[in-house]
Amino acid sequence: QVQLVQSGAEVKKPGASVKVSCKASGYTFTSYGISWVRQAPGQGLEWMGWISAYNGNTNYAQKLQGRVTMTTDTSTSTAYMELRSLRSDDTAVYYCARAADFPYYYGMDVWGQGTTVTVSS
Amino acid sequence: DIQMTQSPSSLSASVGDRVTITCRASQGISNYLAWYQQKPGKVPKLLIYAASTLQSGVPSRFSGSGSGTDFTLTISSLQPEDVATYYCQKYNSALLTFGGGTKVEIK
Repeated sequence: QVQLVQSGAEVKKPGASVKVSCKASGYTFTSYGISWVRQAPGQGLEWMGWISAYNGNTNYAQKLQGRVTMTTDTSTSTAYMELRSLRSDDTAVYYCARAADFPYYYGMDVWGQGTTVTVSS
Repeated sequence: DIQMTQSPSSLSASVGDRVTITCRASQGISNYLAWYQQKPGKVPKLLIYAASTLQSGVPSRFSGSGSGTDFTLTISSLQPEDVATYYCQKYNSALLTFGGGTKVEIK
């Protein structure tokens, strides 16, 4: 079945970096992109960005520009999201989700289980 | 940037009630709108895309409508399993934005 499996929970100190992985299975990885979405405790969903697994094109949310990098490894069907210069307000559950490349995008139809990232001194 | 505003932020309704959630875009987005359901402690789930197209497997009591700046998600007969927070998301460009969410509870 189509699924996305994310890496485990992380605890980081302010100023550090975190890299979350998202391994896809059950579909042709390069036929879709991967979006990343985060959710702070008790808060709503925040779109972080998107990467095409076909050609590596990316789009990042303006507020995260310069701190976030999304990559893919097509040999292992894995997407990665790295967030640098972590702050306490980056504490959240981070989700990856499958999304068709633009202009064929229609929503995020398969989601990973989420990765909790805690930023604390 | 286009902002997405949902209303109400929460609602309480009885089983069997018709429930309507509104999502408003600060600029026109044609029909490039998706709706998601997130049950407590669970992963979000795609319900509707292109403003009114039901994702496969979603119960027919869910429906979406609208175009331009004003959109609605309707649950025709609220069920206990529909307790969740609902989010709209615009995708008229590659910069996606979620609405703030609407929490639906049973009265």
